[in-house]
Amino acid sequence: DTAVSQTPKYLVTQMGNDKSIKCEQNLGHDTMYWYKQDSKKFLKIMFSYNNKELIINETVPNRFSPKSPDKAHLNLHINSLELGDSAVYFCASGTGVATEAFFGQGTRLTVV
Amino acid sequence: GEDVEQSLFLSVREGDSSVINCTYTDSSSTYLYWYKQEPGAGLQLLTYIFSNMDMKQDQRLTVLLNKKDKHLSLRIADTQTGDSAIYFCAERDAGNTGKLIFGQGTTLQVKP
Repeated sequence: DTAVSQTPKYLVTQMGNDKSIKCEQNLGHDTMYWYKQDSKKFLKIMFSYNNKELIINETVPNRFSPKSPDKAHLNLHINSLELGDSAVYFCASGTGVATEAFFGQGTRLTVV
Repeated sequence: GEDVEQSLFLSVREGDSSVINCTYTDSSSTYLYWYKQEPGAGLQLLTYIFSNMDMKQDQRLTVLLNKKDKHLSLRIADTQTGDSAIYFCAERDAGNTGKLIFGQGTTLQVKP
């Protein structure tokens, strides 16, 4: 009965490949987010979707493309992976106007 | 712009109280949060405080908010070795997106 689940938990891939990370929430929330945590543990928002509509798009390279097929899912596709994309990517969900944001367990992406 | 600052490291002895401090810049933030991240794990919401409150207590956790100084603290009473983790302070963006702006995290080390 995991609230926010991401797959895969670990992803090791070569430079230049294309990969996707999936996220699902069963909390009935309207808003989902992708955050990136770098090697120094710094967390920064990348994208947010509200009811399948993109509402936040921070200065992220256009190699990163989020897709929300429905409000319970927000996937992150990354094209032409670079070494600097290595990080932990966290999915989160909330209701936008409410208090809490709940995070998934993270996907550790390593680009070699 | 919005910014959240925390000290990077705190070491305490088991049984002592821990106080983790945070300063933020956006005076229009509505909610402020504390998240805990254990090694290799996701972000766990510990507690939050609404900006019109000065204090919130939840079992061993006490949050103090000084809105004038834009200072937030988290006190953990009777700190245990299981409390060893990284603690993130976050402010909620004043807009309606639910975006969180995180501090760089404070690593709490609890010595037996």
